[in-house]
Amino acid sequence: GQQLNQSPQSMFIQEGEDVSMNCTSSSIFNTWLWYKQDPGEGPVLLIALYKAGELTSNGRLTAQFGITRKDSFLNISASIPSDVGIYFCAANYGGSQGNLIFGKGTKLSVKP
Amino acid sequence: GAGVSQSPRYKVAKRGQDVALRCDPISGHVSLFWYQQALGQGPEFLTYFQNEAQLDKSGLPSDRFFAERPEGSVSTLKIQRTQQEDSAVYLCASSSLGGNQPQHFGDGTRLSIL
Repeated sequence: GQQLNQSPQSMFIQEGEDVSMNCTSSSIFNTWLWYKQDPGEGPVLLIALYKAGELTSNGRLTAQFGITRKDSFLNISASIPSDVGIYFCAANYGGSQGNLIFGKGTKLSVKP
Repeated sequence: GAGVSQSPRYKVAKRGQDVALRCDPISGHVSLFWYQQALGQGPEFLTYFQNEAQLDKSGLPSDRFFAERPEGSVSTLKIQRTQQEDSAVYLCASSSLGGNQPQHFGDGTRLSIL
């Protein structure tokens, strides 16, 4: 089936650092989304992107819909402790095919 | 409530038993989705409803899985004759009409099959 390749798989952050993660695919998508999931909870929508080349910010978060429509990245600036968690990229074809395809997630942890 | 509500939050069942998981979507949301999330993985699509119509069930792993949404609001995912590999978190999401409307997720039901 379709897959999104998300990297890195995990990373350690120190408070104040900037963080970057990305997703790539061999398929073209109409929508890219980024979710954050905390333990025991469902994914929470961070940013939704609808147009190739679109760059959207939500506070300290910035995400871009790649110009080829096959990739997206998420940046977090000046990280804080509550940023820890698992970040998922997701994409869909739009139209009648509303189901999301997810990456495997990027786990953000605090540097010991 | 304002968000997607799922119950129960946790379910433990013995292998071979039937289970039923409930999803109460955001009021007015036409589209409803079920996903299965294995430990350490991203959610995987199971099935999709638009109002009461099940438009896509291509992700259901076997005929032991059955979903319904008879009045176009609350949905139930039923798993018959449960197997150990059914152990996972089952997530429900809802959205407004339109293939690219953002989906909002509930907190899921964690199913453990002994």
